[in-house]
Amino acid sequence: QSALTQPASVSGSPGQSITISCTGTSSDVGGYNLVSWYQQHPGKAPKLMIYEGSKRPSGVSNRFSGSKSGNTASLTISGLQAEDDADYYCCSYAGSTTFVLFGGGTKLTVL
Amino acid sequence: QAQLQESGPGLVKPSQTLSLTCIVSGGSISNGNYYWSWIRQPAGKGLEWIGRVYTSGSTNYNPSLKSRVTISVDTSKNQFSLKLSSVTAADTAVYYCARDNGLERFDPWGQGTLVTVSS
Repeated sequence: QSALTQPASVSGSPGQSITISCTGTSSDVGGYNLVSWYQQHPGKAPKLMIYEGSKRPSGVSNRFSGSKSGNTASLTISGLQAEDDADYYCCSYAGSTTFVLFGGGTKLTVL
Repeated sequence: QAQLQESGPGLVKPSQTLSLTCIVSGGSISNGNYYWSWIRQPAGKGLEWIGRVYTSGSTNYNPSLKSRVTISVDTSKNQFSLKLSSVTAADTAVYYCARDNGLERFDPWGQGTLVTVSS
């Protein structure tokens, strides 16, 4: 099964809002409410930002929010800050054969 | 607060078996309903889930790697391990271990370890 589809890059200015999409199929993103999002700075391990579609772990800023419509999940970051400049990956459960799929990643540039 | 740390050889020859261990500290690997996963990332590329083990020893694997992967858990040592056989240059990557609640919530992660496949 193919990786989930994310835009290669997005950009925004400080204070603005951006949205990163993650498109799958009815066998993964659309079939379950089990999408998570990870932030990765260069040379660092990924960090969980959103799980089960829209839930935020303790300690993650409420500027980060998740949603889903059909086969596409989205991560929205509001009030962009310089430290948000990073790569972002979506992840979804994909059934009892494939189990887990990641997106290809999106490079967010804060201008 | 659980912490994970990968260990193992940084260089593996082609056709050989890659072996890594993830040591879990800050709590018992047997406590809680957690899976323990391995995820890798080739340089400049995205994340790829390799597989996971439950504390009972049951496993799930990425179908594309299933024929070459074995993940096991050693509760007495509070660690879990990855073996990937018949490696090629395409297996060169940073390998991460992570706790997985079974609902695709990977948290926390180890710092990652680079494994290079080269003769």
